[in-house]
Amino acid sequence: SQTIHQWPATLVQPVGSPLSLECTVEGTSNPNLYWYRQAAGRGLQLLFYSVGIGQISSEVPQNLSASRPQDRQFILSSKKLLLSDSGFYLCAWSPNTGDTEAFFGQGTRLTVV
Amino acid sequence: AQSVSQHNHHVILSEAASLELGCNYSYGGTVNLFWYVQYPGQHLQLLLKYFSGDPLVKGIKGFEAEFIKSKFSFNLRKPSVQWSDTAEYFCAALSYNTDKLIFGTGTRLQVFP
Repeated sequence: SQTIHQWPATLVQPVGSPLSLECTVEGTSNPNLYWYRQAAGRGLQLLFYSVGIGQISSEVPQNLSASRPQDRQFILSSKKLLLSDSGFYLCAWSPNTGDTEAFFGQGTRLTVV
Repeated sequence: AQSVSQHNHHVILSEAASLELGCNYSYGGTVNLFWYVQYPGQHLQLLLKYFSGDPLVKGIKGFEAEFIKSKFSFNLRKPSVQWSDTAEYFCAALSYNTDKLIFGTGTRLQVFP
């Protein structure tokens, strides 16, 4: 069966520090991968999605970037965190066949101080 | 551009009342549609999904949704809510062509005994 791992679960980082959140999927190949930020009253905001290695679509211009160095690995990064980057980040995957739903990781609560 | 709108941001009901949450999507191509639920302190989980066929789809816990193509709508319904339905509900649309998965801003449902 397929599983998704996202870590860390919580993270406290100072302003100006770098960020790296990692997400990996097991038990499938060539999945679609997604990064979302969830904020109260704003739902799940799509940040990046990827349909293949090295293929990243950016939805919201901001202080973050994403990379997909391997088929089942999706990384969310920042060179210098801002206070406004605080939030709850969710990784998700879906089969590239498009005939089923997306599955979510446990999320990362990021607090920038 | 692809978008999902949920018009009800906060809904308060008494037990046994009927529920209908609105969802409209904007996209010119083929989309798959979903409703997810997030119970307090828990992860997102799928309530139901529509890909094709019968526009009335039934999900878990007595929920159903109707896809009305002419109205670009996918409203969620439940004839009689329970206190345990208190949660946040998210509508989502997956573009069949681009694999882009967009969520609405969510509807917070509170059910009082």
